[in-house]
Amino acid sequence: DAGVTQSPTHLIKTRGQQVTLRCSPKSGHDTVSWYQQALGQGPQFIFQYYEEEERQRGNFPDRFSGHQFPNYSSELNVNALLLGDSALYLCASSLDRVDTQYFGPGTRLTVL
Amino acid sequence: AQKVTQAQTEISVVEKEDVTLDCVYETRDTTYYLFWYKQPPSGELVFLIRRNSFDEQNEISGRYSWNFQKSTSSFNFTITASQVVDSAVYFCALSEEVNNAGNMLTFGGGTRLMVKP
Repeated sequence: DAGVTQSPTHLIKTRGQQVTLRCSPKSGHDTVSWYQQALGQGPQFIFQYYEEEERQRGNFPDRFSGHQFPNYSSELNVNALLLGDSALYLCASSLDRVDTQYFGPGTRLTVL
Repeated sequence: AQKVTQAQTEISVVEKEDVTLDCVYETRDTTYYLFWYKQPPSGELVFLIRRNSFDEQNEISGRYSWNFQKSTSSFNFTITASQVVDSAVYFCALSEEVNNAGNMLTFGGGTRLMVKP
């Protein structure tokens, strides 16, 4: 039974560029959440997707957007990258909107 | 607003010592969930435990045990007879039940545990 998978593993971008990160949830899970983890800090909630809609959003600007597909996989898009967007981006999936979240290995984004 | 505080940023112990990681939380909800996750150097967050606010029973799983006390808003984690493989960053997290709208996790800053041989 595959766990949560994320791609790519690492990514290097320059300021002003746009990036797309991808996540496939655990089998049977229909809810996907995204978190940003800066170095040395705890993860910060970005948003959660269920039934292809954004259901809950953290304190992140509109430059951060997402999408959920009919197969429950999800994308995180970040526009106009800033140096401060450099972080580990974690995807988590759960059976529903209130169940335990299980995390993927993350995508490390470096913005130069 | 919900908040989680892990006052210990770093703990260093020698193998076989017992160690307790502290977690204090703030919430205005009566229904909420508390979690512990482990983050090894690989970066992936590994789920350890989930407790709901109505269940204050302590839990033991092998060398791990958790002490939940609503009176002090604490959810502490103890590792008995620590091992080198326990070295990681440990995060305490909280989620509130908000009309079934979602369960965003609020994390503490984490405690880095180093177990030396």
